[in-house]
Amino acid sequence: DTAVSQTPKYLVTQMGNDKSIKCEQNLGHDTMYWYKQDSKKFLKIMFSYNNKELIINETVPNRFSPKSPDKAHLNLHINSLELGDSAVYFCASSQDTRQPQHFGDGTRLSIL
Amino acid sequence: AQKVTQAQTEISVVEKEDVTLDCVYETRDTTYYLFWYKQPPSGELVFLIRRNSFDEQNEISGRYSWNFQKSTSSFNFTITASQVVDSAVYFCALSEGAHNFNKFYFGSGTKLNVKP
Repeated sequence: DTAVSQTPKYLVTQMGNDKSIKCEQNLGHDTMYWYKQDSKKFLKIMFSYNNKELIINETVPNRFSPKSPDKAHLNLHINSLELGDSAVYFCASSQDTRQPQHFGDGTRLSIL
Repeated sequence: AQKVTQAQTEISVVEKEDVTLDCVYETRDTTYYLFWYKQPPSGELVFLIRRNSFDEQNEISGRYSWNFQKSTSSFNFTITASQVVDSAVYFCALSEGAHNFNKFYFGSGTKLNVKP
């Protein structure tokens, strides 16, 4: 059973579109995260939720909106996609922010 | 200033060599947590180790060892007798934030190439 699963694995779309990436964890963790990894492999945290409550909200464009319907799910919605949004987006979960994080396999987003 | 600095962008070694990956962090908190993660060419991120700020004991796990020194704010990672399968990008990370640890930072990563 996959611990942290995110879909889709690949997302190719055009500039200006709106898209969502879904993430689910079956580890019973209270905290979930979204990261962006750029082409130089730099990994930056975007958001974190603990029990559906936003606890980390880094400086990202407000076109990015996380949604946590329950503590096992954290989806990422992106409006008006731009070329600079091309990256690999990773979802992760942990019991809390002091604990090791388990990562999904990543979603490679390519903007045409 | 960078909260987590991995000054070595890329390191190349030949199999069986020992290699040390450096990590220097910056925090004013007295309680914090440090991590190492591995990202092999297949792309997944794998947790390797966590250390809290009160535990300066070095740790060894097989060919991997970690040296945590608060005096120099460093948490270095050594691979002994490296193997081709060790080729990956390695990330050091810091969790801080006083009571709620709501600050989390990754270093920029060190790409390790182990050649046969």
